[in-house]
Amino acid sequence: DQQVKQNSPSLSVQEGRISILNCDYTNSMFDYFLWYKKYPAEGPTFLISISSIKDKNEDGRFTVFLNKSAKHLSLHIVPSQPGDSAVYFCAASVRDAGANNLFFGTGTRLTVIP
Amino acid sequence: EPEVTQTPSHQVTQMGQEVILRCVPISNHLYFYWYRQILGQKVEFLVSFYNNEISEKSEIFDDQFSVERPDGSNFTLKIRSTKLEDSAMYFCASSELAGATQYFGPGTRLLVL
Repeated sequence: DQQVKQNSPSLSVQEGRISILNCDYTNSMFDYFLWYKKYPAEGPTFLISISSIKDKNEDGRFTVFLNKSAKHLSLHIVPSQPGDSAVYFCAASVRDAGANNLFFGTGTRLTVIP
Repeated sequence: EPEVTQTPSHQVTQMGQEVILRCVPISNHLYFYWYRQILGQKVEFLVSFYNNEISEKSEIFDDQFSVERPDGSNFTLKIRSTKLEDSAMYFCASSELAGATQYFGPGTRLLVL
């Protein structure tokens, strides 16, 4: 079951530069997408979400872009900070159907180099 | 800021034993979930719970698993007879509404020997 894919297992970025994390999905029924950040030995922490009726959502340094035709979303972090170093998970759900379960990608480990 | 809490943080058990993992969801949330993450794999949905009954469950959530809200604050996951392959991090989550953002607890690391 690979409905949500994160093809880059890791990414290294210099402090102050932009981090771009990518996510692809196969289920065209997904209508709600989320990014979670996870530190070791902690649970996923919600970062930002986007509904399928939008193509962009911004919250401070974090922006999520959604390209429905390509079934692709990305998370931009600008400027990147060393504290952003963590594993980032993309997740998706079919919210309009009342379904509650999230489908997660395998995660991308971001390292921000001071 | 309200948060989801889970106990214990770590649990070691023998194969065939029963374990109960506990969660306290965010107080005004109505929907509760369990997920698990086997080492090196992705986070997988197990079950969702609303109004004292299961609303959805995955193929992983077989007869060995059960969930309960024994009182107004706790939400538990029971594994009746643990198997080696049940070793994983188990995350509880809650959301205010159906389809709303889910907030996760810190997880319980279960090791079955």
